[in-house]
Amino acid sequence: DQQVKQNSPSLSVQEGRISILNCDYTNSMFDYFLWYKKYPAEGPTFLISISSIKDKNEDGRFTVFLNKSAKHLSLHIVPSQPGDSAVYFCAASMNSGYSTLTFGKGTMLLVSP
Amino acid sequence: ETGVTQSPTHLIKTRGQQVTLRCSSQSGHNTVSWYQQALGQGPQFIFQYYREEENGRGNFPPRFSGLQFPNYSSELNVNALELDDSALYLCASSSGGGPYTEAFFGQGTRLTVV
Repeated sequence: DQQVKQNSPSLSVQEGRISILNCDYTNSMFDYFLWYKKYPAEGPTFLISISSIKDKNEDGRFTVFLNKSAKHLSLHIVPSQPGDSAVYFCAASMNSGYSTLTFGKGTMLLVSP
Repeated sequence: ETGVTQSPTHLIKTRGQQVTLRCSSQSGHNTVSWYQQALGQGPQFIFQYYREEENGRGNFPPRFSGLQFPNYSSELNVNALELDDSALYLCASSSGGGPYTEAFFGQGTRLTVV
């Protein structure tokens, strides 16, 4: 039973355009959400996060939007760059007393020049 | 500031054997979590250690065990290896054992069970 779902295994975008990666969750107890980026042969790297009390968080080219009623979040990358090509994981956390992350399966983003 | 380092990077073991994976946490971090990432899947939480005590565990059998040392480094031990244990094992460190702290990951150990 997947509590965090990333339904698009891959996404191809041209350099300079917007990349939109989507994530859905089923557990209403999740109240903190994170995006991680992973290059081959490296561990996941934290990108951006959002608390459930917000609906938007922006950091440079990266913006995360949260729609709690739809249990949906998205990561927007504008403008996309070839160096953004990686696997992006959506993760969620809840106040369970310890910091476990529940991950989606990931979306592979390919940004072509 | 040193990041999270894991050893070894690759490992091949035979079914039924035991394996120990190691993780050095980032400087200043007292919490270590271990994750298993099977091929085509996202990382799955195995357990977490906070100040040398296990303070959270995912849906993994008891043959997955761990330790955290006074310097906050950690080991993951897996007994009676099965073919399905083949995966990338990721260690993540953070400051504090609470639910809202950012976790920093190591590069992982690729375990192959044959």
